[in-house]
Amino acid sequence: KQEVTQIPAALSVPEGENLVLNCSFTDSAIYNLQWFRQDPGKGLTSLLLIQSSQREQTSGRLNASLDKSSGRSTLYIAASQPGDSATYLCAVLNSGNTPLVFGKGTRLSVIA
Amino acid sequence: SAVISQKPSRDICQRGTSLTIQCQVDSQVTMMFWYRQQPGQSLTLIATANQGSEATYESGFVIDKFPISRPNLTFSTLTVSNMSPEDSSIYLCSVASGDYEQYFGPGTRLTVT
Repeated sequence: KQEVTQIPAALSVPEGENLVLNCSFTDSAIYNLQWFRQDPGKGLTSLLLIQSSQREQTSGRLNASLDKSSGRSTLYIAASQPGDSATYLCAVLNSGNTPLVFGKGTRLSVIA
Repeated sequence: SAVISQKPSRDICQRGTSLTIQCQVDSQVTMMFWYRQQPGQSLTLIATANQGSEATYESGFVIDKFPISRPNLTFSTLTVSNMSPEDSSIYLCSVASGDYEQYFGPGTRLTVT
């Protein structure tokens, strides 16, 4: 059974700092991995999707990497801003016929 | 990408009543998913809704409590029946694109008193 763990559970950083969020998963036979952002009481916004054959994806100040063999992914946020404050969720898809498995998220606070 | 809307955005309901949540997508999709997010928790899949067939429920969720309709390829409803305070959660619908990237609606925040 796939399990997804995110570390740390919460993180507080000063504005401008670069930071890394970690995600690990127990079953390396994944189809893809997706990073989401969730603001309090809101839905999820898809940030980056990494297919199993890819090593990384970039969008603006965000870079996500995938090391499938070791069961790890990282989300790198450059030059953090207060608007980046949110919960970041990692989710893994094992196949097209299985549901996404979510981690519990990292709650990020960027202090101005 | 897909644009998803949900109604209502939030509601406060009395225990023992039922609430139907609507999910509308701006394009035709094969699979739609319903998730629950309890306070302070991550997302849990309730069921997968396929057009023209019965929804597939995950362990711990039953059709009598969470009936789902999927009348066409752009619309679905989830009903939370005979509600109790434990049903207070955010309910989210999502869809998957051709490469299985998932997109989520804005959620319905339900409070049961």
